[in-house]
Amino acid sequence: GQNIDQPTEMTATEGAIVQINCTYQTSGFNGLFWYQQHAGEAPTFLSYNVLDGLEEKGRFSSFLSRSKGYSYLLLKELQMKDSASYLCAVRNAGNMLTFGGGTRLMVKP
Amino acid sequence: GAVVSQHPSRVICKSGTSVKIECRSLDFQATTMFWYRQFPKQSLMLMATSNEGSKATYEQGVEKDKFLINHASLTLSTLTVTSAHPEDSSFYICSARDVRGENTEAFFGQGTRLTVV
Repeated sequence: GQNIDQPTEMTATEGAIVQINCTYQTSGFNGLFWYQQHAGEAPTFLSYNVLDGLEEKGRFSSFLSRSKGYSYLLLKELQMKDSASYLCAVRNAGNMLTFGGGTRLMVKP
Repeated sequence: GAVVSQHPSRVICKSGTSVKIECRSLDFQATTMFWYRQFPKQSLMLMATSNEGSKATYEQGVEKDKFLINHASLTLSTLTVTSAHPEDSSFYICSARDVRGENTEAFFGQGTRLTVV
């Protein structure tokens, strides 16, 4: 089976940097995804990691360590519109995506 | 990125009636589509995997006779909630994977907010 853990809630200040961690256990790893989801909307794709290391895309970066079963999403220069849930999802060898519980990020002025 | 269209975005129905939700991939072909359910303040829970031209694969605990899935073409999958009850009220989201590569993320539809009264 798969087990994915991420913090339930985080609070950060506008303009700051925040790191959202995700740890996972899976039988057959085939990629890790990060999604952003605003209340009442569907998730939107942020990043994909399948090899170890850091993937940078604008204000967002995602890191993966397969040996540690660990990933983080780094958000820089936080904006109020970044207040949302951030979902970590792991794809297994059978190409099935399993989602973590999501981290609700609140950005304060 | 690729576009997945889900319709309707909101629906209110009476207990005992059936509701059909459509999921279309607009600019790519999808052999596999996924249906998720999301209750308030919870994450997405996979209900079933829909494969074009074959029967859907349901996750444990999901009633296949209640949640009918049809994937008749490479661009359309439908989920029908039969004999809906208030506890079926939820946010239903589909996603689709492009046939051209397994290393593409699944693209999500806009979601359907179902309220059963």
